Amino acid sequence: AQKITQTQPGMFVQEKEAVTLDCTYDTSDQSYGLFWYKQPSSGEMIFLIYQGSYDEQNATEGRYSLNFQKARKSANLVISASQLGDSAMYFCAMSPFGNEKLTFGTGTRLTIIP
Amino acid sequence: DGGITQSPKYLFRKEGQNVTLSCEQNLNHDAMYWYRQDPGQGLRLIYYSQIVNDFQKGDIAEGYSVSREKKESFPLTVTSAQKNPTAFYLCASSAGGAYYEQYFGPGTRLTVT
Repeated sequence: AQKITQTQPGMFVQEKEAVTLDCTYDTSDQSYGLFWYKQPSSGEMIFLIYQGSYDEQNATEGRYSLNFQKARKSANLVISASQLGDSAMYFCAMSPFGNEKLTFGTGTRLTIIP
Repeated sequence: DGGITQSPKYLFRKEGQNVTLSCEQNLNHDAMYWYRQDPGQGLRLIYYSQIVNDFQKGDIAEGYSVSREKKESFPLTVTSAQKNPTAFYLCASSAGGAYYEQYFGPGTRLTVT
């Protein structure tokens, strides 16, 4: 079974600062994928970034990067130069190779302060 | 525009009634999913389907049923057997395979009184 832990229920960050959202995971699978999603107040889940367990380089997508530390089983999301529109819930998720079932964490509510 | 539609956005039902939530996608994705989200919680998988006419139970399938008669459609029925049906329901689709991201619809908020 897979488990995702997000220990920060809420975070407040000043606009234009960088922010790191923590995610640790537990799995016995050797191959797996890690995902981050953003959920604005409207409710829709927006895909942000993906990291494969065998990818040697950390994934990046624009202002988003994933700090992947396999030995520590952590997959933290880093948002550079935060914007007011980044205020939302952020969810970390994972799926094992060959299985499309996503397991989600409980999320972190990020609030950007002007 | 390609995407996933869920209707309606808000749904109200009396206890003891079955209710069907709609999910349609025009992304030509093979796989579709239904999730439930409760306040302050992450998403939990109800059912998923990798191909037409086939679907599998997720982690919380009890009290729910689905069908996949067309590639574009994956309706979810919340039956009267579901003990706590009030929740936010999200439908998703993907190209298939564990390394493909899932695209989500706008969700349906179901309230049962």
